[in-house]
Amino acid sequence: GQQVMQIPQYQHVQEGEDFTTYCNSSTTLSNIQWYKQRPGGHPVFLIQLVKSGEVKKQKRLTFQFGEAKKNSSLHITATQTTDVGTYFCRNSRGAQKLVFGQGTRLTINP
Amino acid sequence: NAGVTQTPKFQVLKTGQSMTLQCAQDMNHEYMSWYRQDPGMGLRLIHYSVGAGITDQGEVPNGYNVSRSTTEDFPLRLLSAAPSQTSVYFCASSYGAGRGEKLFFGSGTQLSVL
Repeated sequence: GQQVMQIPQYQHVQEGEDFTTYCNSSTTLSNIQWYKQRPGGHPVFLIQLVKSGEVKKQKRLTFQFGEAKKNSSLHITATQTTDVGTYFCRNSRGAQKLVFGQGTRLTINP
Repeated sequence: NAGVTQTPKFQVLKTGQSMTLQCAQDMNHEYMSWYRQDPGMGLRLIHYSVGAGITDQGEVPNGYNVSRSTTEDFPLRLLSAAPSQTSVYFCASSYGAGRGEKLFFGSGTQLSVL
């Protein structure tokens, strides 16, 4: 499957600080999905982006899809302890072998 | 509506033993898949199925077998367990044929091979 690179691999922030993770591809993506996995839990779907330049918001979370559809970002404003976990992006190019990025693990100092 | 159910939650095997990880979903999903998760490696696709009787290999299929005799069930078989198969295993399913629909995950199986 096509590789997607996620950066950073780890991020530690103070509660109240912002956080951003990026998902990058060398080729055009069909769509991008974002998942969150709490420590000890399973991944849970957050959102899907399909259109070039698309921006979607879920409360303090903002998701963006690049104009060239080769990158995406997840931004959390004013992090809270409930945001702790690993965030994954998942690429789809219309194929069935859909691959995940390596994930960004977010830890928060209360 | 239970969603995706995986059993067992924990398992310890000795090298060379065989076992089957069970996965069942009650959402009538066509697509089912198995992932393994290792520290720093993210989620890697082992095998997937787009419907009963149809399976295919993912990124890391060696050492694992699958079958899909019904829409609901997608068991993962380890024929001869190796320490390198120590990992957390997730089963996931989705509507459609896996062409971008969101995945629903089971709660995972933590497997240790000694």
